[in-house]
Amino acid sequence: DGGITQSPKYLFRKEGQNVTLSCEQNLNHDAMYWYRQDPGQGLRLIYYSQIVNDFQKGDIAEGYSVSREKKESFPLTVTSAQKNPTAFYLCASSIHRGNYGYTFGSGTRLTVV
Amino acid sequence: GENVEQHPSTLSVQEGDSAVIKCTYSDSASNYFPWYKQELGKRPQLIIDIRSNVGEKKDQRIAVTLNKTAKHFSLHITETQPEDSAVYFCAASYTGTASKLTFGTGTRLQVTL
Repeated sequence: DGGITQSPKYLFRKEGQNVTLSCEQNLNHDAMYWYRQDPGQGLRLIYYSQIVNDFQKGDIAEGYSVSREKKESFPLTVTSAQKNPTAFYLCASSIHRGNYGYTFGSGTRLTVV
Repeated sequence: GENVEQHPSTLSVQEGDSAVIKCTYSDSASNYFPWYKQELGKRPQLIIDIRSNVGEKKDQRIAVTLNKTAKHFSLHITETQPEDSAVYFCAASYTGTASKLTFGTGTRLQVTL
């Protein structure tokens, strides 16, 4: 899976429920990112982390939370405060120093039911 | 923050013709410009990138040009094939304390027989 694994592939959330999306990488990359993809809007940054135990908000962080307790893992929680969570969520990782392209996971499609 | 605009949003070409996708960026500090290809239902894949110290880069049928003065960069695909059909995203970032990519809204390329 290219060294970065997202699970589950499909996720259904009920109104008022928190859900957590998993992202694991074995590329020894320092930096990890979460993007949200909606039709016609490209990829929008939710949160990113450049080092263990540190992370920063992206452009659309409201209603989401993350943790970075291990270098390999960067889970994303979609909370009940996120009013429109239905989207395709992509996790990515990269070498931190210098500019290098991202390696993306295969994504999680979240649907509110 | 950085803002990346991408045009056109959709592009249809006949097999064998060339395709050009254009992006502009707002932050003159940006120095890294990758292009990603996303096939339907799959993860984005890096296809080519360029750094601000060069004006053009080529890899077989694809090339990217960069005009730092005008703050725009373009993807050129020659001799298009049906398997080039996908959504293409441009992105920009700079080497700094927060090296994160800002993406354009994507171009859906359709190569017809």
